[in-house]
Amino acid sequence: DVKVTQSSRYLVKRTGEKVFLECVQDMDHENMFWYRQDPGLGLRLIYFSYDVKMKEKGDIPEGYSVSREKKERFSLILESASTNQTSMYLCASSLGATGELFFGEGSRLTVL
Amino acid sequence: GENVEQHPSTLSVQEGDSAVIKCTYSDSASNYFPWYKQELGKGPQLIIDIRSNVGEKKDQRIAVTLNKTAKHFSLHITETQPEDSAVYFCAASPYGNNRLAFGKGNQVVVIP
Repeated sequence: DVKVTQSSRYLVKRTGEKVFLECVQDMDHENMFWYRQDPGLGLRLIYFSYDVKMKEKGDIPEGYSVSREKKERFSLILESASTNQTSMYLCASSLGATGELFFGEGSRLTVL
Repeated sequence: GENVEQHPSTLSVQEGDSAVIKCTYSDSASNYFPWYKQELGKGPQLIIDIRSNVGEKKDQRIAVTLNKTAKHFSLHITETQPEDSAVYFCAASPYGNNRLAFGKGNQVVVIP
């Protein structure tokens, strides 16, 4: 069964902390994505990657960076967390640009 | 970039009735239109998609219609069941899965 695993379901961090959100997929997918989900705003694309060490900005990349050192792993980094980054973060992967997106269960981040 | 509007935001239906969710998009170059279902505590899951070379697609109780001229597409669920209760997201993109623009989501409640 296909699987996208996000390492932390719930995190609480303080303003200014560096935060790492990890995502691993076991489907050998080329493409991986980080979305942010907020009530009333839907899903918004932060960054995506179509190959190892490759990344492209999505619609809301400010305040975030990403790392993809291995094909199966895509990390989202908040260099200095702020309260307006309190949100649900969803990782997804797909087989190229035409396959469906497979989502993880999400990581709910609270920044105090 | 692409902008997707989704209506209504909440929809309540009696079990056995039909539900229709409508989305409009802004970029005439968009050619891929998926629908995702998100159950409580889970990540979104693809339920049906359509490409711009067809006008309608069906899968059991679910169908999607596309009107390229008017730039809108709709999800139709017939004979609704309690397990259809969820948040539904429409999305559109000119680039396949890359840079999908999601709508804000519809909460569908099926009343037994």
